[in-house]
Amino acid sequence: DQQVKQNSPSLSVQEGRISILNCDYTNSMFDYFLWYKKYPAEGPTFLISISSIKDKNEDGRFTVFLNKSAKHLSLHIVPSQPGDSAVYFCAASYQGGSEKLVFGKGTKLTVNP
Amino acid sequence: NAGVMQNPRHLVRRRGQEARLRCSPMKGHSHVYWYRQLPEEGLKFMVYLQKENIIDESGMPKERFSAEFPKEGPSILRIQQVVRGDSAAYFCASSPTGKGYEQYFGPGTRLTVT
Repeated sequence: DQQVKQNSPSLSVQEGRISILNCDYTNSMFDYFLWYKKYPAEGPTFLISISSIKDKNEDGRFTVFLNKSAKHLSLHIVPSQPGDSAVYFCAASYQGGSEKLVFGKGTKLTVNP
Repeated sequence: NAGVMQNPRHLVRRRGQEARLRCSPMKGHSHVYWYRQLPEEGLKFMVYLQKENIIDESGMPKERFSAEFPKEGPSILRIQQVVRGDSAAYFCASSPTGKGYEQYFGPGTRLTVT
């Protein structure tokens, strides 16, 4: 039973354009959502997060949007750069208990020069 | 401030052998999480430990897997009698607070069982 879903295994965009990565979740107990970036043979690197009490968080070229009613979040990267090419994981956690992270399967982003 | 350290980075074991994976958290972090990533999958939670205590092991297979985080030294994930299905990347994350939004990942150990 997958609680966090990333339905697009891959995405290809041109340098300078916008990249939009999507994530859906099923567990309404989640109260924090995170995006991680991962290069091959490396560990995930934290990118940006959003609390469930907000609907938008921005950090430089990265913006995360949360739509609680639709149980959907998205990561926007503007402008996209070739160095952004990586696998992006959406993850969620909820307060109480161990606060373990629940990950989606990832979306491989390729930014073409 | 060094990041989370994991060793070895690559480990090859024959079926039936034991695998020991080590994780040294960031300085000042007393919370350690272990995750496993199978090919083409996302990371899946295995176990959460604080110093000398297992807090949540709900993601650990019932047999052959164990974890510890002693008072001194790194956290150890131990897999006994490895099988081919154990081949995966194992990631450790440490946290200063135990909060889900404050987990910092190590580079992982890639285990190959032949």
